[in-house]
Amino acid sequence: DSGVTQTPKHLITATGQRVTLRCSPRSGDLSVYWYQQSLDQGLQFLIQYYNGEERAKGNILERFSAQQFPDLHSELNLSSLELGDSALYFCASSVGGGGRAQFFGPGTRLTVL
Amino acid sequence: AQTVTQSQPEMSVQEAETVTLSCTYDTSESDYYLFWYKQPPSRQMILVIRQEAYKQQNATENRFSVNFQKAAKSFSLKISDSQLGDAAMYFCANSGYALNFGKGTSLLVTP
Repeated sequence: DSGVTQTPKHLITATGQRVTLRCSPRSGDLSVYWYQQSLDQGLQFLIQYYNGEERAKGNILERFSAQQFPDLHSELNLSSLELGDSALYFCASSVGGGGRAQFFGPGTRLTVL
Repeated sequence: AQTVTQSQPEMSVQEAETVTLSCTYDTSESDYYLFWYKQPPSRQMILVIRQEAYKQQNATENRFSVNFQKAAKSFSLKISDSQLGDAAMYFCANSGYALNFGKGTSLLVTP
């Protein structure tokens, strides 16, 4: 158990819908990262937050957004869902940024029908 | 651009034997870090080992060790005394601010 929690574990929804994925980092970790794992794209970095502020962006679509709250939990919002958004979404946390070890949650499996 | 290449899509090893997984990378960063993560069938991503690029000494964690060749931009993972529980997908990654993963090597461990 990494200490990072993600909810829900599984999510099945329809195209065009909007969903919210939730992540709670390990106690003491200030950085939260979101990654997407799909068969065709592999593991891709989406976005990083550090202590409530956006720190870095990766290959995140404009239909996706995220935020980190004062209690350090983070949410990833996916809207106007398409079939291609079906993937495993991971949250990871670390004490700081820049090369610190990242610890991953169990992931949320999103299926868009 | 940062790229990570794992040239072995699949590897196989017998229990108790040693196996080495290859990884090469490219980066424009002067200060960076390298990682190996394991993803078993449960899909959980588990940190195996971390290497700081400015350190010449190769990192070791129990049965796992790396061979870090900075000039060659090579970062291989050696698993000694392989166990059935080592069967998983192994991902090499480098890091500036976030992890940049290779496509993975699937390791099969046979009795």
